[in-house]
Amino acid sequence: DAGITQSPRHKVTETGTPVTLRCHQTENHRYMYWYRQDPGHGLRLIHYSYGVKDTDKGEVSDGYSVSRSKTEDFLLTLESATSSQTSVYFCAMGLAGSTDTQYFGPGTRLTVL
Amino acid sequence: QKEVEQNSGPLSVPEGAIASLNCTYSDRGSQSFFWYRQYSGKSPELIMSIYSNGDKEDGRFTAQLNKASQYVSLLIRDSQPSDSATYLCAVNINAGNMLTFGGGTRLMVKP
Repeated sequence: DAGITQSPRHKVTETGTPVTLRCHQTENHRYMYWYRQDPGHGLRLIHYSYGVKDTDKGEVSDGYSVSRSKTEDFLLTLESATSSQTSVYFCAMGLAGSTDTQYFGPGTRLTVL
Repeated sequence: QKEVEQNSGPLSVPEGAIASLNCTYSDRGSQSFFWYRQYSGKSPELIMSIYSNGDKEDGRFTAQLNKASQYVSLLIRDSQPSDSATYLCAVNINAGNMLTFGGGTRLMVKP
């Protein structure tokens, strides 16, 4: 609805395999964010981007990397997935002109066996 | 101490009552405050934003901000069963481009 999508929506993978999650927005917003949501921990910021090729770490960045080669796409990569990375991952975009207002994508449920 | 705190609930209210959700934050310099609603299995959905002390009303929702006491609250009037969800408080800590979220309060509205 807000012009932000995530793919895949569900993924099951095995420990040690690489995984890439994609976030795509059609609103031309400068800021994009990756969060994970776990019971008892709430939403925690993994990485964020403030422009093409401009990214920075969040609260729980270990084991994750990101890339943003185009305004509309923000990729999250788990280089070698671990069971502790089983979670629901949300992407968000920052509204132009008010960068601290964020709109969320539908989420990706990732299970690492 | 967490930077943004909420009572996890569940908060149970009867249909038609006022639901009051509270959030406290640690950084006195915070300027922007948000309430999100999240239904089970869905993504957070922005309900309200508030930037100045006082009340801000939008339909059945009222956000209240008290920077001196470092709390922000959300009132839901005439609560409906469809309001049953988890409500997340988010604060722009340190005036950066990042939000810090509370753990959320689960609201249950009983018919």
